[in-house]
Amino acid sequence: DAGVTQSPTHLIKTRGQQVTLRCSPKSGHDTVSWYQQALGQGPQFIFQYYEEEERQRGNFPDRFSGHQFPNYSSELNVNALLLGDSALYLCASSFFDPKYNEQFFGPGTRLTVL
Amino acid sequence: AQKVTQAQTEISVVEKEDVTLDCVYETRDTTYYLFWYKQPPSGELVFLIRRNSFDEQNEISGRYSWNFQKSTSSFNFTITASQVVDSAVYFCALSEEAPQGGSEKLVFGKGTKLTVNP
Repeated sequence: DAGVTQSPTHLIKTRGQQVTLRCSPKSGHDTVSWYQQALGQGPQFIFQYYEEEERQRGNFPDRFSGHQFPNYSSELNVNALLLGDSALYLCASSFFDPKYNEQFFGPGTRLTVL
Repeated sequence: AQKVTQAQTEISVVEKEDVTLDCVYETRDTTYYLFWYKQPPSGELVFLIRRNSFDEQNEISGRYSWNFQKSTSSFNFTITASQVVDSAVYFCALSEEAPQGGSEKLVFGKGTKLTVNP
């Protein structure tokens, strides 16, 4: 049973560029959430996708956008990268039903913006 | 608004000592969920436990135990007979039910870095 997978593992970009991160959820899960974790901090919620729609959004600018595909996999896009976007980006999957809402995390994508 | 406070930034113990990681939360909802995650140096967050607000029973899993007290809004985590492999950052998190269905986002504390020395 494959867990949550993310690609790429590491990424280096320069300011102003755009980046796309990818996530495949754990088998059977239908909900994907994205989090940003700066060094030494707890993860911060970016947004959540269910049924190919953005259901919730955290305090992140419109430069952060996402998508969910019919197979439940998801992408996170960040435009016009800033130095402050350097962080570990974590994808988590879960069931939509809150009775089974444990979120399982992938290994993350470490983004460095130069 | 939801908030999770982990007052202990770093804890260092010697192997075989017991250690308790504190977590205090704030929420206005009556239905909510509490979680603990472990983040080893590799970076992946590992799910440890989930409790809902209606179940205050303490839980034990091997060397791990959790004490949930609604009266003090706390959900503390104890590791008994700690081992070097327990060294990691531990996060406490809170989630509420979303009005539109499903679960709200996880709100994390800042984490407690536990170092277990041989």
